[in-house]
Amino acid sequence: QAQLVESGGDVVQPGRSLRLSCAASGFIFSNDAIHWVRQAPGKGLEWVAVMSSDGTNEYYADSVKGRFTISRDNFKNTVFLQMNSLRPDDTAVYYCARYNSGPFDPWGQGTLVTVSS
Amino acid sequence: DIQMTQSPSTLSVSVGDRVTITCRASQNINSWLAWYQQKPGKAPNLLIYDASNLESGVSSRFSGSGSGTEFTLTITSVQPGDCATYYCQQYNRYSFTFGQGTKLEIK
Repeated sequence: QAQLVESGGDVVQPGRSLRLSCAASGFIFSNDAIHWVRQAPGKGLEWVAVMSSDGTNEYYADSVKGRFTISRDNFKNTVFLQMNSLRPDDTAVYYCARYNSGPFDPWGQGTLVTVSS
Repeated sequence: DIQMTQSPSTLSVSVGDRVTITCRASQNINSWLAWYQQKPGKAPNLLIYDASNLESGVSSRFSGSGSGTEFTLTITSVQPGDCATYYCQQYNRYSFTFGQGTKLEIK
C-alpha cells in the first residue's frame, strides 16, 4: 500500500529557512513524480511544486518560485522541499502527494510550518 | 494560469438528499479533473479522477461528469459521514489548480 510521511515542520522566524522531507513506501518511488501542496489555516489547497520521477524536471507555483526548491533522493525514497526566505503567508500544513498518472494519490498526513516572529 | 471556480461555497442538506457541486475551468482542460474529499484535520482523499472515474474503494454514491470547462460532482443519498469539504482540481499538463472548495454540512 502506497504511503507518504512528511516531517520537518516547525515554528520559524520570517526570513529563515526550513527543509521538509517526504518519505515514501509501498510503491516504486523512482517511477512517480511527487508534489508538494499546502493549506493555510482555514483556507483551501494550494499546489506548491512538483519534481519528475527522475529528478530532471521541476515546476513551482509563482508564489514560491525563487524561494523554494524541490529535490529527491531515489535511493532513499525521499523528496525534499527546501524553503528559504520564509514569510508569514507561508504558514500552512504542507502535504506531499504522489502523481498517480494525473490525480494526486495518496497524500501524506501533512506537516505544519508556522512562520512567526 | 487555469482558474477553477467551484459553486456553491457551502451546502447545508439533510440526510438522504442528492447534492451537486459544480466546478468551472477558465479554459478547456478536456477531462483532466479530479475531485477530493477532505475532512477536518485530515489529508484530502481522492474520489473521482479523469472527470468521471470512481477511485477504487470509494462509495458508488459519488459520481462525476463533464468535460472541457464544466464539471459536476454528485452525491446521492447524503450520509452523515459525507460531512467534509470537497475540492476539484485540474491537472492539465504541468499545471495544477484547485477550486476554492465546497463545504458540505448536514442539517
